[in-house]
Amino acid sequence: AQKVTQAQTEISVVEKEDVTLDCVYETRDTTYYLFWYKQPPSGELVFLIRRNSFDEQNEISGRYSWNFQKSTSSFNFTITASQVVDSAVYFCALSEPDSGGSNYKLTFGKGTLLTVNP
Amino acid sequence: DADVTQTPRNRITKTGKRIMLECSQTKGHDRMYWYRQDPGLGLQLIYYSFDVKDINKGEISDGYSVSRQAQAKFSLSLESAIPNQTALYFCATSDPRHFYSNQPQHFGDGTRLSIL
Repeated sequence: AQKVTQAQTEISVVEKEDVTLDCVYETRDTTYYLFWYKQPPSGELVFLIRRNSFDEQNEISGRYSWNFQKSTSSFNFTITASQVVDSAVYFCALSEPDSGGSNYKLTFGKGTLLTVNP
Repeated sequence: DADVTQTPRNRITKTGKRIMLECSQTKGHDRMYWYRQDPGLGLQLIYYSFDVKDINKGEISDGYSVSRQAQAKFSLSLESAIPNQTALYFCATSDPRHFYSNQPQHFGDGTRLSIL
């Protein structure tokens, strides 16, 4: 079973539409961290947000917002009033302790390709 | 200047060749990682190193080896490259002193490797 599931492989929207990217994770740990990264067509990975498992407050940063729901193991990402520059692959990732409990490793979802058309 | 630098940025080579991808960082982080990205599969961890004397296999280490020459340098080698190792490779770092405050991993810009 995947630890991080991004069920939407591709999403296409028209500029100014709102769009939500889904992320569902699986872990048995009580302490873990969740991330979103953006990978534009140029290929680099851009960090967007991190959230620890004890902080369920939603976060807003400009047009970006994140909804963390521990009850459903979801960490969804919404872009409001999308723009063409938002076109990218977006990755959700889970950081949890390894078997020894002292180190954390990052597991990525398979990514969602978002295309924003003018 | 980039904090995490990967060289080369692009490489095309032939099956059977030995290839080394290099990563250097100026962040002073102890922990370094190599990931591989294939289309539709996200990033998969190849190897990681928590300090110069600590090297660990990741999910997909077969066919790869690494060398941590110094705190700032972590190289990935393909001893005998094969076409299914064609992928985008990322190096990353993280700082364990901050892992409770959740310092995220910092990625290089990637090396696009094609094996013919």
